[in-house]
Amino acid sequence: DAGVTQSPTHLIKTRGQQVTLRCSPKSGHDTVSWYQQALGQGPQFIFQYYEEEERQRGNFPDRFSGHQFPNYSSELNVNALLLGDSALYLCASSSLDRDVGDTQYFGPGTRLTVL
Amino acid sequence: SQQGEEDPQALSIQEGENATMNCSYKTSINNLQWYRQNSGRGLVHLILIRSNEREKHSGRLRVTLDTSKKSSSLLITASRAADTASYFCATDARGGTASKLTFGTGTRLQVTL
Repeated sequence: DAGVTQSPTHLIKTRGQQVTLRCSPKSGHDTVSWYQQALGQGPQFIFQYYEEEERQRGNFPDRFSGHQFPNYSSELNVNALLLGDSALYLCASSSLDRDVGDTQYFGPGTRLTVL
Repeated sequence: SQQGEEDPQALSIQEGENATMNCSYKTSINNLQWYRQNSGRGLVHLILIRSNEREKHSGRLRVTLDTSKKSSSLLITASRAADTASYFCATDARGGTASKLTFGTGTRLQVTL
């Protein structure tokens, strides 16, 4: 049973560029959440997708957008990159099925460096 | 913003000793989860405790929750070098369809031989 997968593993961009990160949820999960983890900090919630719609959003600007596909995989897009966007981006999958529970399972992350 | 804080920020112990980490949070919760992170990689889920539970065990892990004090503790017994990692508590205010996690700042645990 494959867990949560993310691609790419590492990415280097320059200021002003745009980036797309990808996530495939754990088998049987239908909800994908994205988190940003700056160095030395805990992860911060960006947004959550369910049924191809953004359901919740954290305190992040509109430069951060996402998408969920019919197969439940998801993309995180960041436009007009800033140096402060350098971080580890984590994807977590979960299920709204109460039999599965509230646990969120995280992928290995994508390390984004903005120069 | 961070929901809570872990205490201590860093902990160094010898193999075989017990490690205790504390987490405080600010708002009412549906559940609290503990995660481990090795060297800036992905988070590994350790244990989930619901707001109506006071204590939970999983292998060498023991978690307590005191909702009146808005605090939780994670105890790792008989620690091993492989337990070296950062540990985060994460609160879920609503659970279910509105579930999202708010993380603390983490405790860095170093277990030496």
